[in-house]
Amino acid sequence: AQSVAQPEDQVNVAEGNPLTVKCTYSVSGNPYLFWYVQYPNRGLQFLLKYITGDNLVKGSYGFEAEFNKSQTSFHLKKPSALVSDSALYFCAVRSKAAGNKLTFGGGTRVLVKP
Amino acid sequence: SQTIHQWPATLVQPVGSPLSLECTVEGTSNPNLYWYRQAAGRGLQLLFYSVGIGQISSEVPQNLSASRPQDRQFILSSKKLLLSDSGFYLCAWSIGQGGEKLFFGSGTQLSVL
Repeated sequence: AQSVAQPEDQVNVAEGNPLTVKCTYSVSGNPYLFWYVQYPNRGLQFLLKYITGDNLVKGSYGFEAEFNKSQTSFHLKKPSALVSDSALYFCAVRSKAAGNKLTFGGGTRVLVKP
Repeated sequence: SQTIHQWPATLVQPVGSPLSLECTVEGTSNPNLYWYRQAAGRGLQLLFYSVGIGQISSEVPQNLSASRPQDRQFILSSKKLLLSDSGFYLCAWSIGQGGEKLFFGSGTQLSVL
């Protein structure tokens, strides 16, 4: 069975500082990895994905993520955080072995303070 | 362009009452459809997914059921709601399998009292 772990319930960062949200995964075979963001009382919005190719993936709003196969990680990063980045972030994984199911991590709340 | 509609946005229901949440997708054909539940603003639990009309896979045994009467319509139901059914319910769709991203609806906040 595939699974995703986000070890931090909350990440606090000052505006302008770099932001990192951690994610590790477990799958059979090659993973398809995703990051989504959720603002209060809203659905999830897609940020970026890794399918194949370059390990560093760039996405929306200045976010990027690095796929590390040996560490089975897909950490989300942003060089300079904004107050408007405060939200709930979800890492997710999909694999052919698990069919069409997208499995989410438990989420990490990001709080960017001015 | 494709859009997903989910309603109602909020719902307050008494324990033991029935439930019907509807989700429709426009602008695409034969989508994969999903129902997720989010409890207390945190992790997402996959409840049901469907790859075609009448094809429903249940991920977690529970008080809920799902149906797909039409290609782009996905309905979440219950005959008798429990307090534990309260949560934020999200519908989503995708095309194909593997690397395609999911598109989410705006969600339904269900409170069972």
